[in-house]
Amino acid sequence: SQQGEEDPQALSIQEGENATMNCSYKTSINNLQWYRQNSGRGLVHLILIRSNEREKHSGRLRVTLDTSKKSSSLLITASRAADTASYFCAAGPNAGGTSYGKLTFGQGTILTVHP
Amino acid sequence: DTAVSQTPKYLVTQMGNDKSIKCEQNLGHDTMYWYKQDSKKFLKIMFSYNNKELIINETVPNRFSPKSPDKAHLNLHINSLELGDSAVYFCASSQASGSPEQYFGPGTRLTVT
Repeated sequence: SQQGEEDPQALSIQEGENATMNCSYKTSINNLQWYRQNSGRGLVHLILIRSNEREKHSGRLRVTLDTSKKSSSLLITASRAADTASYFCAAGPNAGGTSYGKLTFGQGTILTVHP
Repeated sequence: DTAVSQTPKYLVTQMGNDKSIKCEQNLGHDTMYWYKQDSKKFLKIMFSYNNKELIINETVPNRFSPKSPDKAHLNLHINSLELGDSAVYFCASSQASGSPEQYFGPGTRLTVT
């Protein structure tokens, strides 16, 4: 079964609105990462939050992490048409050993921002 | 300059054939990965190499054989292709230590007919 689940599966908003995506995971983590995938392209790393952090900002992105609930959220403020893409969370296991780098991805949220 | 590149971008082939996908990264990373993304966009790790050594092998059929001639290259060879192998295959790389974010290639869309 899949490790990560994202909610909602699809989100449609108008330019200028905020977009919030949620992610849940099942195992203990070292970090939680968010990636964006434009149609027909590879994934691009957006932001990483470590397990000892609760909130992190990067430009228009805000990520929160609640390790007690095994959940994270990604907020994109003042969205633009260019933000239209699929967004994936990825749970990063503790570093070291054979698990290092073994990201477990959620199924993604398809975000559509209408101009 | 392209950080992680893959060739080919598209691959259409018949069942039973053998094919290879190549990946190269110029980021100086120690670790490289192969992922498979299915039609529902679910992304699952297949293999990981660190300095040419296999460190992750995720219950992938042995028809799939990765090869890392050096730490900048990780190729994927697939024997006896099946319809279910149709997917997009992504190569990625990261540092072995330090920041764990991964850098992805553009993907290879494999279609088996």
